[in-house]
Amino acid sequence: AIQLTQSPSSLSASVGDRVTITCRASQGISSALAWYQQKPGKAPKLLIYDASSLESGVPSRFSGSGSGTDFTLTIGSLQPEDFATYYCQQFNSYPLTFGGGTTVEIK
Amino acid sequence: QVQLVQSGAEVKKPGASVKVSCKASGYTFTTYYMHWLRQAPGQGLEWMGIINPSGGSTTYAQKFQGRVTMTRDTSTSTVYMELSSLRSEDTAVYYCAREGVVGALDWFDPWGRGTLVTVSS
Repeated sequence: AIQLTQSPSSLSASVGDRVTITCRASQGISSALAWYQQKPGKAPKLLIYDASSLESGVPSRFSGSGSGTDFTLTIGSLQPEDFATYYCQQFNSYPLTFGGGTTVEIK
Repeated sequence: QVQLVQSGAEVKKPGASVKVSCKASGYTFTTYYMHWLRQAPGQGLEWMGIINPSGGSTTYAQKFQGRVTMTRDTSTSTVYMELSSLRSEDTAVYYCAREGVVGALDWFDPWGRGTLVTVSS
């Protein structure tokens, strides 16, 4: 199975900060990566697919980049509603797997 | 709009089975594959398997092979996930999630709201 390693596992940031989360795959997955946001008690919400395509309705401050084994989710200017846990997910091959998550907390 | 409505919370004893349902609406049920995932308390997300609502074919994660069964009822646009031989480690929120693109190996969108299954003696 392809392993995804996210870093950091948590971070503290302030409103307006630029935030970057990294996801590294154990083998090359081309651009077969998605990013999700999850708030407490809620289901995950798709943000980015195909590594860099923004899901409809998702604010443009969210962006994704990368291919192969190294990927990045960037939040351009952190807003109060962005404090949540973020997960990457690969869809290059079964079993579909997720990174361990990055929790973005208020500084 | 696309909606996935899951059944309510369950409490089961170790060794029992649980069957969770997910009723789809807002799109043609047989067009999109459906996934099942779970999330243990305070933990990350884990993919369990996928079902093709059209023909009923399934692919399960190796971890759950022999314990999980995914089925569907096209007359009610509902998919089911049954997990047997429950143990405490199966305590989790179980999600159904539709595939993002028809017939592709891809992402999950949208998701159901989740069903909490608690396994306790």
